[in-house]
Amino acid sequence: DIQMTQSPSSLSASVGDRVTITCQASQDIGKYLSWYQQSAGRAPKLLIYDASVLETGVPSRFSGSGSGTFFTFTISSLQPEDVATYYCQQYDKINGLTFGGGTKVEIK
Amino acid sequence: EVQLMESGGGLVQPGGSLRLSCATSGFTFSMFWMGWVRQSPGKGLEWVANIEKGGREKYYVDSVKGRFTISRDNAKKSLDLQMDSLGVEDTAVYYCVRGFRDSDSSGVTFDHWGQGNLVSVSS
Repeated sequence: DIQMTQSPSSLSASVGDRVTITCQASQDIGKYLSWYQQSAGRAPKLLIYDASVLETGVPSRFSGSGSGTFFTFTISSLQPEDVATYYCQQYDKINGLTFGGGTKVEIK
Repeated sequence: EVQLMESGGGLVQPGGSLRLSCATSGFTFSMFWMGWVRQSPGKGLEWVANIEKGGREKYYVDSVKGRFTISRDNAKKSLDLQMDSLGVEDTAVYYCVRGFRDSDSSGVTFDHWGQGNLVSVSS
C-alpha cells in the first residue's frame, strides 16, 4: 500500500498566521490527494480534492497544491474556527486507500 | 441535503459479530460508490471498504479481508457492513461515507460522512 507521511503532527499558530501542512506519498499518486478537516467530536469534512480543487462552500483561505509525491495544504490566515485535525488521503487506485497520520492545529 | 445515518454499533466480545447499517437520503444512492472508514479511539483514519455503484465490485483493507463484508441495497438506499471474527483491534468509530470518483483510473475520495457509530470489542 501507498504510505502517506504527513507533517508536522501538530502545530500552534496565532490568529491570522499562514499555516502549511505537507503530505508525502511513498510513490507517485498524480493529483489524487484530498484534504479533510476534523473538528473535535465531529466527522471529517472534505475540504480539497484532486490536490487543489476546493470543495463547494469551503472558504478560500484554504488551498492545496502539489502532484506526484509531494503535496501542501495551506490556511492563508488562521481563524479560531480552524482549530481541528487535518488529514490527507490518497486515492490513486480504487484499492488500498490510505490517510496521512494527521496534523493537529491549535491557536497560540 | 445529503444525509448518512449509521446504526448497529455497540459492545461485542472478541470473536463475535456485528452488522452496521447506513441509511441515506438526499441524493441518488445508486449513482455513487459508498464505503466505510474507521477511527480507533484517539487515532487517525483508516479506510475499511468500498463498494461500486451496482454492488459488484468490493474492496477491503487487508486487515479485514475475509472477516468483513460490505453490501448495498440500491432500492432501499442503504449500505451495510457485516463484521465477523471481531478483535479488539477493530474497536473504532465507523463512518459511512459517500465516494466521489472523477476518473475510472483513480480511486475514490469521500465527500460526505455520517456522524459515526462506535463499535467496541471487549471481553
